[in-house]
Amino acid sequence: AQKVTQAQTEISVVEKEDVTLDCVYETRDTTYYLFWYKQPPSGELVFLIRRNSFDEQNEISGRYSWNFQKSTSSFNFTITASQVVDSAVYFCALSDPNAGNNRKLIWGLGTSLAVNP
Amino acid sequence: DTEVTQTPKHLVMGMTNKKSLKCEQHMGHRAMYWYKQKAKKPPELMFVYSYEKLSINESVPSRFSPECPNSSLLNLHLHALQPEDSALYLCASSRSGGGQGLAGGPVDTQYFGPGTRLTVL
Repeated sequence: AQKVTQAQTEISVVEKEDVTLDCVYETRDTTYYLFWYKQPPSGELVFLIRRNSFDEQNEISGRYSWNFQKSTSSFNFTITASQVVDSAVYFCALSDPNAGNNRKLIWGLGTSLAVNP
Repeated sequence: DTEVTQTPKHLVMGMTNKKSLKCEQHMGHRAMYWYKQKAKKPPELMFVYSYEKLSINESVPSRFSPECPNSSLLNLHLHALQPEDSALYLCASSRSGGGQGLAGGPVDTQYFGPGTRLTVL
């Protein structure tokens, strides 16, 4: 079965701390896509990254970095030197192999990150 | 430009009202989506339109009626809703509209609008 697990329901850090949000997935597909989205209190889901299963290179974008490890079926997200503006719910999502080209996603339950000043 | 717009931002309606939610994108995307999101939950897919045709209906009650007048617009018509339908309704779009290639082909990124917060009294 396809599944995304974000084991951390809530995380609270103090500004400037580094924080890692975990995402573990299960899929029977050999080709799949993983996504991270940020949802601040305003409600909009903001796309952060898309990664396909053939690209295991880690990615860095400013203070954000992602560690994709197929061996452990994980796609973890690290925020370096966190800021108050990083406070949001972060969702990890996996492409659904049953959906063909219709682009259904399987979502984790999200991790609520609070960055305190 | 990855902008999807939604109107209204907030909507309060009674159970006997008829209202519509609107979504617009000008990115040339050929797939558009409606999601429903309850507090502290991930979004739940409701409908997908590919090339202006309904391609997925996730067994949504008929009191929700989607419409795709053209490739840039997506509406969600609401009628006789229940209080449990109160939620954040999100629209999204993605570049390709499906029907191309085989299952398991490239999965495009979905870009989301700001959502409409719906309260049903």
